[in-house]
Amino acid sequence: GAVVSQHPSWVICKSGTSVKIECRSLDFQATTMFWYRQFPKQSLMLMATSNEGSKATYEQGVEKDKFLINHASLTLSTLTVTSAHPEDSSFYICSPRLSAGRAGTNTGELFFGEGSRLTVL
Amino acid sequence: KNEVEQSPQNLTAQEGEFITINCSYSVGISALHWLQQHPGGGIVSLFMLSSGKKKHGRLIATINIQEKHSSLHITASHPRDSAVYICAASPSDSNYQLIWGAGTKLIIKP
Repeated sequence: GAVVSQHPSWVICKSGTSVKIECRSLDFQATTMFWYRQFPKQSLMLMATSNEGSKATYEQGVEKDKFLINHASLTLSTLTVTSAHPEDSSFYICSPRLSAGRAGTNTGELFFGEGSRLTVL
Repeated sequence: KNEVEQSPQNLTAQEGEFITINCSYSVGISALHWLQQHPGGGIVSLFMLSSGKKKHGRLIATINIQEKHSSLHITASHPRDSAVYICAASPSDSNYQLIWGAGTKLIIKP
């Protein structure tokens, strides 16, 4: 299956600082990236959808100025949590959609990064 | 009512038992996904179904399009199968969006 690398796997930061999470598709190109957030014992919640080279589309209730998404290339997308607060502590996970590459055209199969656990003190 | 409903919410069983997790959906779909999320948080895709049945090792997934129902079965369950199992539907009117089930937390006791 396709390889997706997400870093960091966990991060602890002070309130008010910014944290960047990277998601790389290592052996395929992803024109679309989904970013999810998951609070303890809850389902994944879609935060935003980004397409390579264009602005991300944010779900209702997700502040675009707080959660900055950059999808500048077909193999890298980043999520930056700006001015983090304790309520931003959560598990963040990326999910690229295969467009082309070793595995061929988009088959609809799902791939996920390993996730990043953010704790804001 | 959620568009994707999973049952049971929690399931505890003894090692070796046959496990069934159910998923019902109310929208038209192009595919139904079964995913596994381990305690560390990582998510792995188990199956993508649009019809019939698929098998991978001790895991079997079935789908009945007419009844809008899918099941995930685990034969000869093992403690390492303990995880949260999630079904997610790809609506037929959307290329990429998913509708997520709430997940089933499975614990297999040795």
